[in-house]
Amino acid sequence: EVQLVQSGAEVKKPGESLKISCKTSGYRFTSYWIGWVRQMSGKGLEWMGIIYPGDSDTRYSPSFQGQVTISADESISSAYLQWSSLKASDTAMYYCARQRGDSHIEYWGQGTLVTVSS
Amino acid sequence: DIVMTQSPDSLAVPLGERATLNCKSSQSVLYSSNNKNYLAWYQQKAGQPPKLLIYWASIRDSGVPDRFSGSGSGTDFTLTISSLQAEDVAVYYCQQYYSSPDTFGPGTKLEIK
Repeated sequence: EVQLVQSGAEVKKPGESLKISCKTSGYRFTSYWIGWVRQMSGKGLEWMGIIYPGDSDTRYSPSFQGQVTISADESISSAYLQWSSLKASDTAMYYCARQRGDSHIEYWGQGTLVTVSS
Repeated sequence: DIVMTQSPDSLAVPLGERATLNCKSSQSVLYSSNNKNYLAWYQQKAGQPPKLLIYWASIRDSGVPDRFSGSGSGTDFTLTISSLQAEDVAVYYCQQYYSSPDTFGPGTKLEIK
């Protein structure tokens, strides 16, 4: 069974750094893309970027390029989304998702709520 | 970026009736070399992550009830629920994966009348 299990909710202050995780199981980690999707409270879905763990090829939406870093660790079948300096506007639910190349999202994680507040 | 629009913003339909949700892309998402429309539909119930319903514009994902169907090509697409059930209350999003960045529509909120 394919599973994507995300790390727990985070409460941070502006300017702090953060790395959230997405641990996968039930499939060959290096054979599928893992993407990240943001959903601000009461709003729609925003595709942030994607990584192919097989060769670490990473692509970002221009809206998020330079704002976040996507990475993966093949040894533990996990993907990551990180910020070096959080802003209040980063407050949102973040989903990881398994995506076929040039194709749809097949599986979603349960989401990680990130709250940034002074 | 390809801009996705959805209509209506919200929709209230009686139980057992048909619901029709629309999605439009700012440019064609039909790839001529394989004749596939690079469009998916997702359902998001309150407090849950989205769930894949339809991909390649008209292919139902495994386990999705057959009352859900997708149609359309090029720039105009439709998700139809043939007989609305109480458990179908949700927000429905379309997504194009024709060109990066993938983009989602703003969603249609579906309720029971």
